[in-house]
Amino acid sequence: NAGVTQTPKFRILKIGQSMTLQCTQDMNHNYMYWYRQDPGMGLKLIYYSVGAGITDKGEVPNGYNVSRSTTEDFPLRLELAAPSQTSVYFCASSLDRNTEAFFGQGTRLTVV
Amino acid sequence: DAKTTQPNSMESNEEEPVHLPCNHSTISGTDYIHWYRQLPSQGPEYVIHGLTSNVNNRMASLAIAEDRKSSTLILHRATLRDAAVYYCIRSGNTPLVFGKGTRLSVIA
Repeated sequence: NAGVTQTPKFRILKIGQSMTLQCTQDMNHNYMYWYRQDPGMGLKLIYYSVGAGITDKGEVPNGYNVSRSTTEDFPLRLELAAPSQTSVYFCASSLDRNTEAFFGQGTRLTVV
Repeated sequence: DAKTTQPNSMESNEEEPVHLPCNHSTISGTDYIHWYRQLPSQGPEYVIHGLTSNVNNRMASLAIAEDRKSSTLILHRATLRDAAVYYCIRSGNTPLVFGKGTRLSVIA
């Protein structure tokens, strides 16, 4: 099993550009999550989804959008990149809210 | 939401047991306690989770107080590889919200 796969691993964006961070899981998990982690800080929940077609805001949703059209995929979109969005982004999935979550390897994003 | 309280940092000698405490006094009856850890420059990884009973796996043990308002993650023999930030999370209305965690240092 591949588990949770994130692409790309690294990306440099210019201010105002847009991009989509991809996340896919092959474990048929219902729950999926997006986090950001700034240097030396903890993880902050951006958005999460409890199933296909359902998304909810986390702690820091501003500046991001998500969609969940399939069980497997949970892309995160940045519409107008800002330097404050420079961070490492982690995607995770779990069967439900009470089971083990699996994390992707992360995407390191720099906005200049 | 899903708030827990942990010490900012702890230190342990290699090969000794480590007890990492967590308070979750507002936990509801159906919330599980989850522990994750994050090694330097890596993503978080699952350690253990439980509801009411004490739990054991190959990585650690989880001791949950009878009133469920606190729990303790037990690493039976700390190794240098166990140096990480350990996060205690309760599954509330917003699932898997991380706090600041406890930074564990292991001394050789």
